[in-house]
Amino acid sequence: GQQVMQIPQYQHVQEGEDFTTYCNSSTTLSNIQWYKQRPGGHPVFLIQLVKSGEVKKQKRLTFQFGEAKKNSSLHITATQTTDVGTYFCAGRGYQKVTFGTGTKLQVIP
Amino acid sequence: DSGVTQTPKHLITATGQRVTLRCSPRSGDLSVYWYQQSLDQGLQFLIQYYNGEERAKGNILERFSAQQFPDLHSELNLSSLELGDSALYFCASSQGWGGNQPQHFGDGTRLSIL
Repeated sequence: GQQVMQIPQYQHVQEGEDFTTYCNSSTTLSNIQWYKQRPGGHPVFLIQLVKSGEVKKQKRLTFQFGEAKKNSSLHITATQTTDVGTYFCAGRGYQKVTFGTGTKLQVIP
Repeated sequence: DSGVTQTPKHLITATGQRVTLRCSPRSGDLSVYWYQQSLDQGLQFLIQYYNGEERAKGNILERFSAQQFPDLHSELNLSSLELGDSALYFCASSQGWGGNQPQHFGDGTRLSIL
């Protein structure tokens, strides 16, 4: 079945450093969504990418969808303590969405 | 506030028991998804319903069952509970069924098995 892996599993950064998480699917995806889960909270939708090679930005966050539509990345520029949480990608395969394993980000002030 | 309501927020019970978790989706959403999240783990997809019909099935144990009612609320039934079933159970809803719309998550039900 479809598998979606994320690396790294954990990342500690100093405040102000950049951060990137990568998402890789075993199958081609129709779209990919990104969610953020704050500690003690529930996942919250951030963005959806649909087109091959698509790049979208939200303030300090940059999202990319690979040319082959099998991978994606989320890059945060100049992290802040408010960026702490777990970031999940969710890939849509054949009529089904599979969540990635998540990357837990800790930001050291 | 996501608009998705889950009850109860916390549930403490013993092994071998049965519990029911309830979810009311966002107004206008027809799909309901159930997920299990163990401590510091990812989201394990259990099952999806769309407009009352089962749409997709994930790694849901035979001891677990779910349904979606005509008013679109959903219930997840967990029976013969084991210690390993302790987890946070999320419900999410979306407008469509195919996964091309965002999922909106509730606050979850934390289940503790003693």
